[in-house]
Amino acid sequence: QKEVEQNSGPLSVPEGAIASLNCTYSDRVSQSFFWYRQYSGKSPELIMSIYSNGDKEDGRFTAQLNKASQYVSLLIRDSQPSDSATYLCAARESGGSYIPTFGRGTSLIVHP
Amino acid sequence: NAGVTQTPKFQVLKTGQSMTLQCAQDMNHNSMYWYRQDPGMGLRLIYYSASEGTTDKGEVPNGYNVSRLNKREFSLRLESAAPSQTSVYFCASSGENRAPRDYGYTFGSGTRLTVV
Repeated sequence: QKEVEQNSGPLSVPEGAIASLNCTYSDRVSQSFFWYRQYSGKSPELIMSIYSNGDKEDGRFTAQLNKASQYVSLLIRDSQPSDSATYLCAARESGGSYIPTFGRGTSLIVHP
Repeated sequence: NAGVTQTPKFQVLKTGQSMTLQCAQDMNHNSMYWYRQDPGMGLRLIYYSASEGTTDKGEVPNGYNVSRLNKREFSLRLESAAPSQTSVYFCASSGENRAPRDYGYTFGSGTRLTVV
């Protein structure tokens, strides 16, 4: 049974700080990793994907992947109150069922 | 530029009633999915369709049926609704599904279903 673990939070950071969201996964065959943002009462929205070890940057977001440690993280620089949401991590195999496994999400609160 | 469209957005059913949730995507995606999301449980896969003409069970298929009507449309049917099916339902679609480097999901806006 593949598992994707996230701290449910809430993670509270002040405006302008770096928010660090973490995710671990149990299955070594997972190859693709995704971060989704879900505002309260809304649907998840894909914000980042990462496939290779290391960092991937997109604007204020940086995804970090360490396959040896089975660890993926999302950094949000210069956090804004509008970043307050639940962030879902998902891991997917390159083959097999190709269905991603989702974590339960981390709630982020950015306070002014 | 609609993406994934779900209807209805809200529904209240009485126990034992049936209904169909509709989903359509205009991105020419092969794969479509139905999830339910409950507090503290995260997203749980009900059924999915890897391509037109195929459907498979997910983690929580009991009490549901699906139809992949064509490449665009994937419906979810509750034959006899139960209070345990009170949830938020999301339809999603994705493009490449057998390559390591896929593009993730695009979700619909969701259906909030209450069964009384």
